[in-house]
Amino acid sequence: DTGVSQDPRHKITKRGQNVTFRCDPISEHNRLYWYRQTLGQGPEFLTYFQNEAQLEKSRLLSDRFSAERPKGSFSTLEIQRTEQGDSAMYLCASSLLGSGGVNTDTQYFGPGTRLTVL
Amino acid sequence: AQTVTQSQPEMSVQEAETVTLSCTYDTSENNYYLFWYKQPPSRQMILVIRQEAYKQQNATENRFSVNFQKAAKSFSLKISDSQLGDTAMYFCAFMKDFGNEKLTFGTGTRLTIIP
Repeated sequence: DTGVSQDPRHKITKRGQNVTFRCDPISEHNRLYWYRQTLGQGPEFLTYFQNEAQLEKSRLLSDRFSAERPKGSFSTLEIQRTEQGDSAMYLCASSLLGSGGVNTDTQYFGPGTRLTVL
Repeated sequence: AQTVTQSQPEMSVQEAETVTLSCTYDTSENNYYLFWYKQPPSRQMILVIRQEAYKQQNATENRFSVNFQKAAKSFSLKISDSQLGDTAMYFCAFMKDFGNEKLTFGTGTRLTIIP
């Protein structure tokens, strides 16, 4: 039973560059979430998918951010024209939405991708 | 919108002692879930315990238990017989039931277990 994996674990980039992160959820999980965590804070919700459909995006997710989950399995989060304020840990989580629309399981988190923008 | 408040930024306790972490939340929802997650230093976040709001009985998981007071909107975590491996950031989190299942986290409590 493999957990949620994220790649890369660390990314250092220069301001203005584009970066892309990947998340592989637990295999049978149909919901996938992205959160951002800055130092000393709790994670903040960015967006989530049910299968390949993106169901909600936070106001934190500016136009420079885009997320996809093209085949309902792995997901990518891209940040264009990075800014120093984008430096944070980006967390991915997955869960299983059961039949009848009931959320039957909790969210399981990956190890995160730590982004540093110089 | 929901808010979660953890009023204890840091706590420390001697190994084998009991410690209680506080969490309060604000919501107009009647059905929801509450969680405690643990984030050890440089390691990923893991679920400690979960409570469904419709259940009156407090959840327990081995040495971890909660005191859920729905009317007071309080959800504290008790760690009994604390161990060095319990050293971590602890986050309280709220999730609505049905329709919007994102987690809303508090700011966390840094717990240090002293040998």
